[in-house]
Amino acid sequence: GQQVMQIPQYQHVQEGEDFTTYCNSSTTLSNIQWYKQRPGGHPVFLIQLVKSGEVKKQKRLTFQFGEAKKNSSLHITATQTTDVGTYFCAGDFGNEKLTFGTGTRLTIIP
Amino acid sequence: DTAVSQTPKYLVTQMGNDKSIKCEQNLGHDTMYWYKQDSKKFLKIMFSYNNKELIINETVPNRFSPKSPDKAHLNLHINSLELGDSAVYFCASSQRDSLAYGYTFGSGTRLTVV
Repeated sequence: GQQVMQIPQYQHVQEGEDFTTYCNSSTTLSNIQWYKQRPGGHPVFLIQLVKSGEVKKQKRLTFQFGEAKKNSSLHITATQTTDVGTYFCAGDFGNEKLTFGTGTRLTIIP
Repeated sequence: DTAVSQTPKYLVTQMGNDKSIKCEQNLGHDTMYWYKQDSKKFLKIMFSYNNKELIINETVPNRFSPKSPDKAHLNLHINSLELGDSAVYFCASSQRDSLAYGYTFGSGTRLTVV
């Protein structure tokens, strides 16, 4: 079936260090979205990537979509305690639904 | 005003009972979803409705029955609850032709079956 895998599952970083999570799909995606879920909260939409090789930035966050539209990454520069949470990619295979990745749980050591 | 609201926020019930979760969105979206998040944080789609019409029905036990009385509401009824149904259930909505804005999720209903 259509699956979206994310690595790593967990990441612990010192405050101020960078963080990256990677997302891989078994098949080509129409587009990919990224969400952040704070502890005890609900997923919140961050961004959508549509074009092959697309790169988008939101302040300290950089999102990339692979050339083959099968992988994506989220990079956070100089993490802060407010970045704590689980980051999910969600793939759209063109079948009317989002398939969420397994998530990367980020914890920050002050 | 809350964009996507779910009730109740917490639900503790015994095995075998029947329960319902309600969801309402005031965003004017035409599509609504139910997702289940288990203890490992995996988010899996259960159902999706577009303008009251069921468009996605994943492999979910028949004990789960969604109902959409109008495009702003999507409820989930669960019969004969089992221990394995314990999870957080999220309602979400989106506009089918404007997915650049993503899905908007409700705050979730934490269901505990004892």
